[in-house]
Amino acid sequence: SQQGEEDPQALSIQEGENATMNCSYKTSINNLQWYRQNSGRGLVHLILIRSNEREKHSGRLRVTLDTSKKSSSLLITASRAADTASYFCATDAYGGSQGNLIFGKGTKLSVKP
Amino acid sequence: NAGVTQTPKFQVLKTGQSMTLQCAQDMNHNSMYWYRQDPGMGLRLIYYSASEGTTDKGEVPNGYNVSRLNKREFSLRLESAAPSQTSVYFCASRYRDTEAFFGQGTRLTVV
Repeated sequence: SQQGEEDPQALSIQEGENATMNCSYKTSINNLQWYRQNSGRGLVHLILIRSNEREKHSGRLRVTLDTSKKSSSLLITASRAADTASYFCATDAYGGSQGNLIFGKGTKLSVKP
Repeated sequence: NAGVTQTPKFQVLKTGQSMTLQCAQDMNHNSMYWYRQDPGMGLRLIYYSASEGTTDKGEVPNGYNVSRLNKREFSLRLESAAPSQTSVYFCASRYRDTEAFFGQGTRLTVV
C-alpha cells in the first residue's frame, strides 16, 4: 500500500488565501519530499525535508515535519491562480525499502482568481 | 541537457500485444523508477533500479518487466497487455536520496 496519504483530497480557495496540505506516512523515513503536477504533465520537485529537520522554507512554501506523528504539512502562502495543480508527498524509506520513493494519492488544489 | 526522456508519448495497444516503454536520463543519476498513475490512485511504483545492474519490485509489478540497460536507460516491458494496464506511465531518476526528476509521461490505452 502507498506510504503517504495526503489530506484533503481536494482543496478550493480564493487567490491570496493560504493553502495547507497534510501528509501522513507509516514507516521510518530518511526524508520526505513534496512535488507538484500540473494537469497532464510530469511531476516537479518542490522541496525536500530530512528526518532531522522540523521546518523548511522555499519562497512561498513552508514545509513542516513531525516524525513522532509521522506527518508533514505543506503551506502555500498568498496563493495564485498559477498554483492550481495536484500536490504529492513522497517518502524515502530506511532499511529494506531503501531506494524506494513512494508517493501518496495527492491533493488537488484549485485557486480561483 | 534533456533531463528524463520517455518514448513514446502516446500508445494504443490491443489486448495481448506487447510493447516496451523507453526511458533515458542524461544527469548521471544512479536510481531510476517506473510509476503508473491512475485517477484517484496517485503514483504507484512498478519497479525501480537503485544502481546499474540491479532492479527491484515496487508496489504493482505484476504484468511488467524491466531492464536497466546501462546507467542512462531503464525500460519497461508489457509482455501481454491487458485493459487494466491502461494508465499514464512515468519514468523518474535521481541521485541517491535527493530530488527525483520526471519524464513527461506515456499515455497508454489497451483496448
